[in-house]
Amino acid sequence: DVKVTQSSRYLVKRTGEKVFLECVQDMDHENMFWYRQDPGLGLRLIYFSYDVKMKEKGDIPEGYSVSREKKERFSLILESASTNQTSMYLCASSFRGAQETQYFGPGTRLLVL
Amino acid sequence: AQKVTQAQTEISVVEKEDVTLDCVYETRDTTYYLFWYKQPPSGELVFLIRRNSFDEQNEISGRYSWNFQKSTSSFNFTITASQVVDSAVYFCALSELGGATNKLIFGTGTLLAVQP
Repeated sequence: DVKVTQSSRYLVKRTGEKVFLECVQDMDHENMFWYRQDPGLGLRLIYFSYDVKMKEKGDIPEGYSVSREKKERFSLILESASTNQTSMYLCASSFRGAQETQYFGPGTRLLVL
Repeated sequence: AQKVTQAQTEISVVEKEDVTLDCVYETRDTTYYLFWYKQPPSGELVFLIRRNSFDEQNEISGRYSWNFQKSTSSFNFTITASQVVDSAVYFCALSELGGATNKLIFGTGTLLAVQP
């Protein structure tokens, strides 16, 4: 079974804090993704990575950065958290290729006060 | 531009009713993939089905069935004899080709509430 885990299910941070969200997959997938989910907007892609140390911006990268030092781990960083970054964050991974299925982690609900 | 539309924001049914969730997509690609995911209250997106653009056969898996029609750019999902455990948000997604990876474009989701 594919296993994608995220470091926290719930997180509360203050405005201006630096926030790290961690994602780990155990299926040797090349691709990893970070999405945010907001009511009425569906899932929107923040960043993705197709290899170690490789990253590409998604649709809404502003205010975020990512790090992929190891194949199994993909981190999302909020350099200075703001209240409009309160959201559900979902990590996914997959093999390379348009036909490949993305498998998702349980999500992290982040509240920025 | 590629786009996925799930016009039904919320649907409420009573247990044992059949329900169809609509998905309409737009793409210029001739080869593409469509997906359905289920998101129960726990939050994790669960993969349900993947269909490629060359395979228009309908698919049935237990109480679930999918109707793919290229002529209307639709990939609808039907649950037969719905159960309370089917209550979830359902997302339809389109795989965007090109580049080094398989980016997905998601619809906004349909919240299905099955009442006992």
